[in-house]
Amino acid sequence: DAKTTQPPSMDCAEGRAANLPCNHSTISGNEYVYWYRQIHSQGPQYIIHGLKNNETNEMASLIITEDRKSSTLILPHATLRDTAVYYCIVQGGSEKLVFGKGTKLTVNP
Amino acid sequence: GAVVSQHPSWVICKSGTSVKIECRSLDFQATTMFWYRQFPKQSLMLMATSNEGSKATYEQGVEKDKFLINHASLTLSTLTVTSAHPEDSSFYICSAPVGRQGGLVGNQPQHFGDGTRLSIL
Repeated sequence: DAKTTQPPSMDCAEGRAANLPCNHSTISGNEYVYWYRQIHSQGPQYIIHGLKNNETNEMASLIITEDRKSSTLILPHATLRDTAVYYCIVQGGSEKLVFGKGTKLTVNP
Repeated sequence: GAVVSQHPSWVICKSGTSVKIECRSLDFQATTMFWYRQFPKQSLMLMATSNEGSKATYEQGVEKDKFLINHASLTLSTLTVTSAHPEDSSFYICSAPVGRQGGLVGNQPQHFGDGTRLSIL
């Protein structure tokens, strides 16, 4: 079973920041936090990952709490094309990914 | 960036037919690939781990004789759904981890194919 908890759905206005939370209270010290998203009828897309430190790339920022029990994915300026299901996955010690139900993000015009 | 190509993107066939789906890593080598299945409005379910040059590792409840996996080269894994029936209709997706980036095991983003939509009549 997935070891993360995410809200089932969220809405965001176009142009605003989308902040997607994820709880992973049982995370181990050797496990990374990954975020992927799946746009309808496509394969998932890698967004970002981190271990302890906050991370930023051209797509998003990842904020991990100091105790590592939760994290937030930030899309700084959401567009309609960011409408997708976002998956937060904890991975370590193995290359396997276990997908939970994710958060369905709807970006509204 | 790393690209995983999956073919065909969709297939419709009659019950009893065997269907082969290909997954290729286009600009990197993948000793391991993964196969997932996704039913409508559900999440991805890992079916098996494809290992180059050796047998695939199947997740619990997945019939290995039903879903044949071959990983004969470092850039190609195939999934064959044998004697497919309507209940096998689903969205099949493959993925491959991009090379290790140092650090701990697990520090490897995965890249996914665009999926194959299989419909069995």
